[in-house]
Amino acid sequence: DAGITQSPRHKVTETGTPVTLRCHQTENHRYMYWYRQDPGHGLRLIHYSYGVKDTDKGEVSDGYSVSRSKTEDFLLTLESATSSQTSVYFCATNQPGTDTQYFGPGTRLTVL
Amino acid sequence: AQKITQTQPGMFVQEKEAVTLDCTYDTSDPSYGLFWYKQPSSGEMIFLIYQGSYDQQNATEGRYSLNFQKARKSANLVISASQLGDSAMYFCAMREDTSISSGSARQLTFGSGTQLTVLP
Repeated sequence: DAGITQSPRHKVTETGTPVTLRCHQTENHRYMYWYRQDPGHGLRLIHYSYGVKDTDKGEVSDGYSVSRSKTEDFLLTLESATSSQTSVYFCATNQPGTDTQYFGPGTRLTVL
Repeated sequence: AQKITQTQPGMFVQEKEAVTLDCTYDTSDPSYGLFWYKQPSSGEMIFLIYQGSYDQQNATEGRYSLNFQKARKSANLVISASQLGDSAMYFCAMREDTSISSGSARQLTFGSGTQLTVLP
């Protein structure tokens, strides 16, 4: 258990509105990740962070931005939500050593 | 090309029997890690087992073992003595290490998963 919480856990929003998802960790891990999960695709990386203010893009980053102003918090923002961003979003951190990733409980986002 | 392939969308197993979930991977990196995660219907992702590419022994964690065949690029998960609570989606994932530097991702690449149902 990597002490990861995500908020909100569920959100319904409308197309075109901005949305911010928050990931909070208590283990002081350096690496944090945002993935999305869609049927038939497993999990795909959106953005990741390797330190405060250090972030980079993943496989499916279009339409998303991130920020990390503190070690413990990693924010994912959808500047203008679209229906294709309806998904379950998972945050994860890396355990040093084996680099095993531990996941938060997920956020179910529905864009109408 | 798919980096992680799970060819069994769904599997059924009788309670108390063993089951093997298949995973093949594709990488040219000599150093990598392989992971299995369980996702029950409640939705959380639960880490099960890890195998490093240089590990000499197959990984085991309780009733879970990883049948690692490097030459065949396969990393099958074996669950012994299945229980009803094992019914879940199972994901295989890989981390490639060659490009790791201070700023690189250490990201995981996931397969599409196998839905396991344990029958009473």
